[in-house]
Amino acid sequence: NAGVTQTPKFRVLKTGQSMTLLCAQDMNHEYMYWYRQDPGMGLRLIHYSVGEGTTAKGEVPDGYNVSRLKKQNFLLGLESAAPSQTSVYFCASRRQGGTVEQYFGPGTRLTVT
Amino acid sequence: QQQVKQSPQSLIVQKGGISIINCAYENTAFDYFPWYQQFPGKGPALLIAIRPDVSEKKEGRFTISFNKSAKQFSLHIMDSQPGDSATYFCAAFYGQNFVFGPGTRLSVLP
Repeated sequence: NAGVTQTPKFRVLKTGQSMTLLCAQDMNHEYMYWYRQDPGMGLRLIHYSVGEGTTAKGEVPDGYNVSRLKKQNFLLGLESAAPSQTSVYFCASRRQGGTVEQYFGPGTRLTVT
Repeated sequence: QQQVKQSPQSLIVQKGGISIINCAYENTAFDYFPWYQQFPGKGPALLIAIRPDVSEKKEGRFTISFNKSAKQFSLHIMDSQPGDSATYFCAAFYGQNFVFGPGTRLSVLP
């Protein structure tokens, strides 16, 4: 099992460009999350999904969109990148019910110039 | 009310010493409190977690102490090793989502 994988690992964008980050999990988890990690601020929730075809806003959703067309994939889109979106992005997943353990991907380091 | 506070921001401990990281929360609806360990360039990984009906949980050298009345919980790392050098995040869970503390960078000197 690969667990949670993220593509790409690194990316540099110019202001105004768009891109999509892909998260994939092979654990058949219902819940998936996108976080951003900035120095001194921990992980902040951008968007999350409780199942295929459903998404919801987290703490810092502005400037991002998400889609969950397949249960195993959760996409994070930046329509018009801004320097404030320079961050490390982590995807996580967990199963519904029982243990509440989240499994994280390795992260995507995004720089917007 | 959704905030989780964490201290210290950084911590330096000698090998064999005890590392202590503290967290506090306001929302009494939180019902699961995990600690995550993150090494540079990696994603966070669950280290240990506790439910509020338990005052202490120990796994190997790692112990969570939980004070429900004070709305505080802490991570104790006994016999700290250089391999424990990492960033540690406390978190709190309610409903569907987690709220994370800002993190503590631990350095264990050999």
